[in-house]
Amino acid sequence: GAVVSQHPSRVICKSGTSVKIECRSLDFQATTMFWYRQFPKQSLMLMATSNEGSKATYEQGVEKDKFLINHASLTLSTLTVTSAHPEDSSFYICSARDATTNTDTQYFGPGTRLTVL
Amino acid sequence: GESVGLHLPTLSVQEGDNSIINCAYSNSASDYFIWYKQESGKGPQFIIDIRSNMDKRQGQRVTVLLNKTVKHLSLQIAATQPGDSAVYFCAENGLGNEKLTFGTGTRLTIIP
Repeated sequence: GAVVSQHPSRVICKSGTSVKIECRSLDFQATTMFWYRQFPKQSLMLMATSNEGSKATYEQGVEKDKFLINHASLTLSTLTVTSAHPEDSSFYICSARDATTNTDTQYFGPGTRLTVL
Repeated sequence: GESVGLHLPTLSVQEGDNSIINCAYSNSASDYFIWYKQESGKGPQFIIDIRSNMDKRQGQRVTVLLNKTVKHLSLQIAATQPGDSAVYFCAENGLGNEKLTFGTGTRLTIIP
C-alpha cells in the first residue's frame, strides 16, 4: 500500500517553456501533499505544502508564481514550473500523507528529473 | 536554527556485516522520526519510524534507536546485502508540525 506515482519521470524542455508534473496517490487519499526539490548529492528541500481544496503554502524563498501548485482532488497534486530556466533543472519529488490514518508518515513518489536547456 | 544532521556522509560495510548510520537532531520538540532509503534516481523509500515515547523499534533487519537525552537517532541494518547500498536520510517533525526536516544523508556502500 501507500504508493505514490509521478508523471513524467523525466522531462527535457527549452528555456522559457512551462512544465507540469503530476503527483498521484494510487491507493489512498491524501489531503496533504508535499513538493521537494533535490540537487545532486544533496538532501531534499521542501518547496511547498499542498492542501486539497486550498492554496499551497510555500517555503521561504520559493516563488509561488514560478512554481504553481494545484491540489484539486484527494489523489492528485500538480506542480507547474513556469518559464523554466536552466537553473530550475533539478530532481522534483512529491510526497503524500494518508488522510485516513493517524500518522505523519510521508510516502514519496519516484521523482521527476527536469532538464531545462 | 533547527537542523537535523548526520555524523558521517559515507559509510562502507562488508557484505554480511551490520551497519549503523547515525543522525543528530537539534529540535528538542521533535516527536516523530523516520528513516528513508534513497537509491540513485529514485524517490525516498520509507524504512522505519519511531515516536518520541519509544527508544527502540525493530523491523525486518532494521532497528531504529532514539536517545532523546542527547538528541541522537540511529539506524542499524543487520546482515547487510548489496541491495542496501543507497543514501539514507533521517527526518523528523515536531508535534503539530506536518513538515519533515531532512538530514544531509549518509551514503552506504556494501562491499561484496
